[in-house]
Amino acid sequence: DAKTTQPTSMDCAEGRAANLPCNHSTISGNEYVYWYRQIHSQGPQYIIHGLKNNETNEMASLIITEDRKSSTLILPHATLRDTAVYYCIVRVTGGNQFYFGTGTSLTVIP
Amino acid sequence: GAGVSQTPSNKVTEKGKYVELRCDPISGHTALYWYRQSLGQGPEFLIYFQGTGAADDSGLPNDRFFAVRPEGSVSTLKIQRTERGDSAVYLCASSPGVSSEAFFGQGTRLTVV
Repeated sequence: DAKTTQPTSMDCAEGRAANLPCNHSTISGNEYVYWYRQIHSQGPQYIIHGLKNNETNEMASLIITEDRKSSTLILPHATLRDTAVYYCIVRVTGGNQFYFGTGTSLTVIP
Repeated sequence: GAGVSQTPSNKVTEKGKYVELRCDPISGHTALYWYRQSLGQGPEFLIYFQGTGAADDSGLPNDRFFAVRPEGSVSTLKIQRTERGDSAVYLCASSPGVSSEAFFGQGTRLTVV
């Protein structure tokens, strides 16, 4: 039970911002939104997570709507190395599982 | 610094054989997870350890699968009487605590022939 809905695939031009949406309409008050990505043949890589405030780190920004039913991961200047499958995950505080779903396959085009 | 290490990186075994997959977590991480990933799918949860004990093994598909973490560090995933359907990439992850992000290893690709 992934609890999230993401588009199957997206393209983005190199150097442009990549905006990856995620719907999590059944999210509970104590559930965080996590984003991971998986580059071909590698293990998943943590990107960012948040509860209700927008978050930014060196990799990306996470925008969570006020009702918390959806979020957007923003890669500000996509590069070819950002081509990967991106997973949006909701996880309860102190929870012991990450439900991955099938993610969004992002292709950055030169 | 050292990340999560999984060995072997690839394992080919015959149907019916027993296999062990090893995971060395990041030093000091108390939580350890095992996942399985089939081609074209996202990782699927198998089992979670907090310290030495399996806090949640609800993802193990059947009693042929078993995992241990006797000293609260290294973990071994054990599969008995392997079947061709067990072929997948087995991923291990660790985290400093239950509320923290998890860091994944590169996985072990298991092929049952």
